[in-house]
Amino acid sequence: SQTIHQWPATLVQPVGSPLSLECTVEGTSNPNLYWYRQAAGRGLQLLFYSVGIGQISSEVPQNLSASRPQDRQFILSSKKLLLSDSGFYLCAWSPGPPAGYTFGSGTRLTVV
Amino acid sequence: GIQVEQSPPDLILQEGANSTLRCNFSDSVNNLQWFHQNPWGQLINLFYIPSGTKQNGRLSATTVATERYSLLYISSSQTTDSGVYFCAAYGDGGYNKLIFGAGTRLAVHP
Repeated sequence: SQTIHQWPATLVQPVGSPLSLECTVEGTSNPNLYWYRQAAGRGLQLLFYSVGIGQISSEVPQNLSASRPQDRQFILSSKKLLLSDSGFYLCAWSPGPPAGYTFGSGTRLTVV
Repeated sequence: GIQVEQSPPDLILQEGANSTLRCNFSDSVNNLQWFHQNPWGQLINLFYIPSGTKQNGRLSATTVATERYSLLYISSSQTTDSGVYFCAAYGDGGYNKLIFGAGTRLAVHP
């Protein structure tokens, strides 16, 4: 069966520090991968999606970037964190339409 | 892109009560999902339901694609049902980007 792993679960980082969040999927090949962010008490916003190795599409201009160095690995990065980058980051995968998404357990990022 | 609206934004129930949550979407959809976000933030997939009716225990969902809405029914609610319920959908267009509604925050009191 397919599983999705996301880490770390929580992270406290100072303003101006770099960020790297990792997401991996097991038990499938060539998944569509997604990064979402949820601000406190709000809905989910799509940040990036990828349909293949090295293929990244950005939905919202911001201080973040994403990379997909391997088929089942998706990384969210920042060179210098801002206070506004705080939030709950969720990775998701889908085998492609018509099929649903499955989400990871999320990373709660606090920038101080 | 597709717009997803949920109602009501907040709902308070006594344990044992039934409820209906609604999701309206602006265009035809190829996917519609209902999620429950638990207190730890994890999104639990409840239903993948682009059309028709499905049931899972005390929960059921119906999507009427031609009228662009979906309903989530919770029967005999329990305190563990508390949390935020999200509807999300994608339509035609590249890469099946799932767009979320703002959610319904449910509190079930004993």
